[in-house]
Amino acid sequence: AQSVTQPDIHITVSEGASLELRCNYSYGATPYLFWYVQSPGQGLQLLLKYFSGDTLVQGIKGFEAEFKRSQSSFNLRKPSVHWSDAAEYFCAVGAGGGGNKLTFGTGTQLKVEL
Amino acid sequence: DTAVSQTPKYLVTQMGNDKSIKCEQNLGHDTMYWYKQDSKKFLKIMFSYNNKELIINETVPNRFSPKSPDKAHLNLHINSLELGDSAVYFCASSVGGGNQPQHFGDGTRLSIL
Repeated sequence: AQSVTQPDIHITVSEGASLELRCNYSYGATPYLFWYVQSPGQGLQLLLKYFSGDTLVQGIKGFEAEFKRSQSSFNLRKPSVHWSDAAEYFCAVGAGGGGNKLTFGTGTQLKVEL
Repeated sequence: DTAVSQTPKYLVTQMGNDKSIKCEQNLGHDTMYWYKQDSKKFLKIMFSYNNKELIINETVPNRFSPKSPDKAHLNLHINSLELGDSAVYFCASSVGGGNQPQHFGDGTRLSIL
């Protein structure tokens, strides 16, 4: 069965600082990986996805993520954080096949200090 | 031009009642989902429908009954509500087959008194 681990429950960074959110997955085949962001009271918005090909993927809002098969990781990065990036971030892995089931990590809450 | 819309946004009710949440998507997707997000923000899939056919049922109590009248709608009916049903319920949709990104609604916050 697939699973996702986000080791950091909370992260605080200063505005303008760089950011890296960790994600480790467990899946028997080639994973389909996603990062979503959830602002308070809102639904989840897709930041980026990895299916195959280039292991460094670019997303919206200046985010990028790197797929490392050897480490079973898909960490999210941003070179310079803005106060509006404060939100909950979820990593997810897709199972493929019918149903398109997504398994989510427990999320990382990002706080940005001005 | 909301892509995935859920109603109501908030639902406060008493234990034992029956309630429904509606979801509609205008993206032309053929697969729809219900997720439950608990108080610790953990998201877990409940159901998935593809072209009105149930694809995923993740051992959800049979008090929860999804219904998809057409590809653009997926409703969730809950009987005999319990305290543990308090959560935020998210509807999502995607293009079926493979692992296409899912588009989420803003959620329905269900509070059981």
